[in-house]
This record gives sequence, structure tokens and C-alpha cells, in this order.
Amino acid sequence: LLTQSPATLSVPPGERVTLSCRASQNIYSKLVWYQQKPGRAPRLLIYDVSTRATGIPARFSGSRSGTDFTLTISSLQSEDFGIYFCQQYNNWPRTFGQGTKVDIK
Amino acid sequence: EAQLVQSGAEVKEPGESLRLSCKGLEYSFISYYISWVRQMPGKGLEWMGRIDPRDSQTKYSPSFQGHVSISADKSSSTVYLEWSSLKASDSAIYYCARDGSGTLYYGMDVWGQGTTVTVSS
Repeated sequence: LLTQSPATLSVPPGERVTLSCRASQNIYSKLVWYQQKPGRAPRLLIYDVSTRATGIPARFSGSRSGTDFTLTISSLQSEDFGIYFCQQYNNWPRTFGQGTKVDIK
Repeated sequence: EAQLVQSGAEVKEPGESLRLSCKGLEYSFISYYISWVRQMPGKGLEWMGRIDPRDSQTKYSPSFQGHVSISADKSSSTVYLEWSSLKASDSAIYYCARDGSGTLYYGMDVWGQGTTVTVSS
């Protein structure tokens, strides 16, 4: 089970954003982050906890401490609104967190 | 650039059958797994299952096992998601996604545009 927090946050542009994803058991570094905008398919941001996917800006970073995972946006841009999902691939079936919605204040 | 192109929106009645398609373009289709992901209205993402297009070996989530079927046609670079008897609760957006290659995994890196399925009497 992956538990994301907070459920929603509203942040002004330029601020640092930290999103959390907590696993109920050890999933090692087998975690991925996606961004989804309204009416669009999800987009891969980060895999293996901290490796940015092709074309993803450097302001997105990921980290791990045990079973706690963090996605950080160093300086929020207006285009970063959307819902962020984490996903584990250590166990079958693959599972997603419930998502964190990021609004631009 | 690799793409997955899905079939169009569907409106069906409960009990009807349905097959959705997902065609891979501009990459080696048999080299990557394809997964299907459900998103119910206003909800999160649920992984349904995966197929290896090389040999059509499948793996399903227990939540979907027995209710859907995933298949592939290498000759047309197409993967399918099929129901034999739809329920109203199957109303959702369905995405296909490229989901790793062999022992390498780097997330679902290419997604289809999604297919909206509405099941209503």
C-alpha cells in the first residue's frame, strides 16, 4: 500500500514543494512518480526513486528514506499544476498511491 | 518518437462485450511490455494487467483477473483489452502504457491518449 500526502496543496509560483509517498512495506528503490493534468494521460517524471525521465526539468527531484519517498519541486512553475502519483514495482500487482493534487496559488 | 494510439470512446449497455485496442508506433513493439491502467471518474490510477507482446504472456491484478482479458497481435503491433460482459462499474477511462523491457524497468514511459468507456442502460 502506498499512501500519499498531502491530498491537496496550493502553492504560489517559485515556492518549493514537497510531496510524500509512504510504502507500507519495504519496496527498496522501486518507485516511480507521474504527473497527470486534467483530461490528459499521466506523464512519467522519475523512476528508480530519483532518476529523471527524458525531458523532465531539473527542478523535479526524488529521494528515499527507508519506506518514505519524496518528490520535490524546487521552484514551482505555473505549468506544474496537476495530480502527482507514485507507483511501486517491487511487488505484484503494481500499485499507485492515491495522488496529491497541486494547485497554483 | 514512440507512440501508443488507442481506439475511440465507447458507449455500451450492461452485459455487452467490448474490445479496446492500443497500437504501438515508432518503436520495436515486441521489445516492451504493455500494461492497461484504469481511471474511474475523479479517481486515481489502477493497474489492471500486463502483456509481453513477444509471446502474449500475461500478468493480471487480482482485482481484474477473470473479468478482463489482455491479448496482443504482433503482426499489427496492437494490444487489446476485452470484456465479455460489461458492468456499469466498468465505466472509466482506460489507458495503455509501455511498461518496461525485459529486466529493465523505468516506469510507464509512453502512454496512450486514453479511451473513455461508458456503460449504461
